[in-house]
Amino acid sequence: TQLLEQSPQFLSIQEGENLTVYCNSSSVFSSLQWYRQEPGEGPVLLVTVVTGGEVKKLKRLTFQFGDARKDSSLHITAAQPGDTGLYLCAGHRDDKIIFGKGTRLHILP
Amino acid sequence: DADVTQTPRNRITKTGKRIMLECSQTKGHDRMYWYRQDPGLGLRLIYYSFDVKDINKGEISDGYSVSRQAQAKFSLSLESAIPNQTALYFCATGREVTDTQYFGPGTRLTVL
Repeated sequence: TQLLEQSPQFLSIQEGENLTVYCNSSSVFSSLQWYRQEPGEGPVLLVTVVTGGEVKKLKRLTFQFGDARKDSSLHITAAQPGDTGLYLCAGHRDDKIIFGKGTRLHILP
Repeated sequence: DADVTQTPRNRITKTGKRIMLECSQTKGHDRMYWYRQDPGLGLRLIYYSFDVKDINKGEISDGYSVSRQAQAKFSLSLESAIPNQTALYFCATGREVTDTQYFGPGTRLTVL
């Protein structure tokens, strides 16, 4: 059973457009992280959200943790080719970390 | 120098061979993890270790074993490799489970 569902699986959009990707679960997590992975490299942490309803911004990226701590979203404003990569969410519960399958994002110049 | 290193970076082997993947870290973290990544399946935890004397099975430990030789070293072994173990393998370290996980660059393993 996949506890963390990420959608969409794939997204290809033009440079300059806005986009939102989602990470959903029926389970409550104590915190949630978003990682970005580029080809040939390991995932790199973007953000950790801990409090229900929390919003964090990282330049053009906005992360939100759901009020019930079961879901999260990542919104990118004015996407750039450098945003291309695999975006993974990871939830923490009972001293364990669970990764979603990821959203593969491709920004076309 | 990278904080987390993995050797080898690429390996092609044959069914039935024993393979060892090695991971070293300079972060000083107690916790170390081994994951495998397959297209469409995401990252799945194989084994994790909270300190040298504490080894735990993850989601998909069958067919794998690990050794924590020191705080900085955590190796993954495939005793008798099979083709469905072809995957990208990542080592990671961290302080607490909710803290940042620092990943190595990965080992691409192909079992023929």
